[in-house]
Amino acid sequence: QPALTQPPSASASLGASVTLTCTLSSGYSDYKVDWYQQRPGKGPRFVMRVGAGGIVGSKGDGIPDRFSVLGSGLNRYLTIKNIQEEDESDYHCGTDHGSGSNFVWVFGGGTKLTVL
Amino acid sequence: QITLKESGPTLVKPTQTLTLTCTFSGFSLTTSGVGVGWIRQPPGKALEWLGFIYWDDDNRYSPSLKSRLTFTKDTSKNQVVLTMTNMDPLDTGTYYCAHRAVAGTPWFDPWGQGTLVTVSS
Repeated sequence: QPALTQPPSASASLGASVTLTCTLSSGYSDYKVDWYQQRPGKGPRFVMRVGAGGIVGSKGDGIPDRFSVLGSGLNRYLTIKNIQEEDESDYHCGTDHGSGSNFVWVFGGGTKLTVL
Repeated sequence: QITLKESGPTLVKPTQTLTLTCTFSGFSLTTSGVGVGWIRQPPGKALEWLGFIYWDDDNRYSPSLKSRLTFTKDTSKNQVVLTMTNMDPLDTGTYYCAHRAVAGTPWFDPWGQGTLVTVSS
């Protein structure tokens, strides 16, 4: 099954841009990944799904246009432009694998984004 | 609008059985392709998928927890129930339920607010 790797932390200044990375383990370059935002003390919120060709489907409800995704090789990127204070959150990526009794869902370790 | 809310005990003792309820609105678990997922998060750690319960009772469980987990549903009450046996302090964390529609929106959306469960004697 795939494994997802995320840097534990990232930071960006107010109004700047930041790109968060979720890296699939070798052999899974065709997998789609979901991004979730988790504000402090809150439950996660779906941001959007990304495959090798970019966004899959629609963004989650209320996700601003400042959020975009890109896929390249084993990497799935979430870019946030014009960062706002409200973007300070943990960002998680996840993907599913297999079918039937072998189905699993895996998450990365999460990246804590600090807005400076 | 879809909403979900988890409820249950905040404290359980080691070896006890945990029962959590997810009460939802805005969708039905009798609709083909619809499911509810369970995910947990130890304090300060990553999300961990526990499993899914689907409209057709074709449930899925995390292989590492399969022997301890059972999901059931009460469609008349719009509730799903998670039962986890032989609780351990390592099971301490916030437990979430989330909506998933296999065909249309095959991701977790939305999530409940979560409920914190502490396992301690």
